[in-house]
Amino acid sequence: AQSVTQLGSHVSVSEGALVLLRCNYSSSVPPYLFWYVQYPNQGLQLLLKYTSAATLVKGINGFEAEFKKSETSFHLTKPSAHMSDAAEYFCAVSDKMTGTASKLTFGTGTRLQVTL
Amino acid sequence: DGGITQSPKYLFRKEGQNVTLSCEQNLNHDAMYWYRQDPGQGLRLIYYSQIVNDFQKGDIAEGYSVSREKKESFPLTVTSAQKNPTAFYLCASAAHRQGLGYTFGSGTRLTVV
Repeated sequence: AQSVTQLGSHVSVSEGALVLLRCNYSSSVPPYLFWYVQYPNQGLQLLLKYTSAATLVKGINGFEAEFKKSETSFHLTKPSAHMSDAAEYFCAVSDKMTGTASKLTFGTGTRLQVTL
Repeated sequence: DGGITQSPKYLFRKEGQNVTLSCEQNLNHDAMYWYRQDPGQGLRLIYYSQIVNDFQKGDIAEGYSVSREKKESFPLTVTSAQKNPTAFYLCASAAHRQGLGYTFGSGTRLTVV
């Protein structure tokens, strides 16, 4: 079965600093990978996804992630944090299922705190 | 605009009561999913359905039941057999195409009183 590991349940950065949220995956086949963001008491919103095209994927709100097969990683970055980036971030990997929709497996999440 | 609607946003359940959480989508998605979210545990899959009139258990199905009588609707019933139902419940849907990910509803927070 595929899985993802998010290193660090809490990350704190200063406003304007680099944001780096780590995600490592386990998969026997080339995966589909996703990053979602969740604000308090809301659902999850798709930030970006990797589907075997370009290894550097750009998403919404200035976030990007790089797929590194050799490191089995898909870390999320943003050059300069903003207060509005404070939220919980989830990495997910897709089980490929022929003829049906994907079944995503989620990491346990990383809560990002942005301080002044 | 297309999307997923979960209702109610907040729900209170008495001990021994069954409650039903609503999830409706107008995205014409084939697949629908229910997740439970607890602090520090991420999202855990309760049930999912790939087509109408068919559904499968996820990782934590005990104490829950679902139905999929219409493509647009996938209600979740939290039964009295679920001993610790207080959590945030998320519904999601997806098309039958790989690599598209899920669209999520805004969630229902269930509290046992």
